[in-house]
Amino acid sequence: EIVLTQSPATLSLSPGEGVTLSCRASQSVSSYLAWYQQKPGQAPRLLIYDASNRATGIPARFSGSGSGTDFTLTISSLEPEDFAVYYCQQRSNWPPYTFGQGTKLEIK
Amino acid sequence: EVQLVESGGGLVQPGGSLRLSCAVSGLTFSNYAMSWVRQAPGKGLEWVSHITSSGGSTYYADSVKGRFTISRDNSENTLYLQMNSLRADDTAIYYCVPKKGGWFDPWGQGSLVTVSS
Repeated sequence: EIVLTQSPATLSLSPGEGVTLSCRASQSVSSYLAWYQQKPGQAPRLLIYDASNRATGIPARFSGSGSGTDFTLTISSLEPEDFAVYYCQQRSNWPPYTFGQGTKLEIK
Repeated sequence: EVQLVESGGGLVQPGGSLRLSCAVSGLTFSNYAMSWVRQAPGKGLEWVSHITSSGGSTYYADSVKGRFTISRDNSENTLYLQMNSLRADDTAIYYCVPKKGGWFDPWGQGSLVTVSS
């Protein structure tokens, strides 16, 4: 089973700041990695797929990069609605599909 | 617009059974593989089960293998999850999600399953 480790667990930032979230895989997943955003009380939403492609309707301030075992999600300038939990997920080697444990972005 | 409406959740005693349903509209259901993903209260996301578009192949997480059964009715555009021998650690919101382009998108609002005496 591929384990995805996200860091940090929590980030406290202010609107307007930029941020980079990390996801590391226990073995190579090539570019088969996605990022999801989950706001309180809501279902997750696909943000980035295949490591670097924005999903439909996702603003350009969100970008993803990486391949192999190291991936990042960057938000160039935080908007108030971006404070949420972010999960990475791999589909390179399944079953099982696996998710990271999440990074919570909170307002400072 | 794609809509996924999960139902069938509720409170059940340990050892009991429930069947979740997911009604899908806005996409050609029979063309898409589907999964169930769950989220325990205050915890992260855990993939539970997957079924191919035809229903011919199914896959399960080790934590539910032998207790849960995924199925689908392509004529009714509905996905199911039969859950038997439920345990307290099965308590979670259960989401049904289509595999579009290889990824889980979009997500419904989920159905809460609570296993407690």
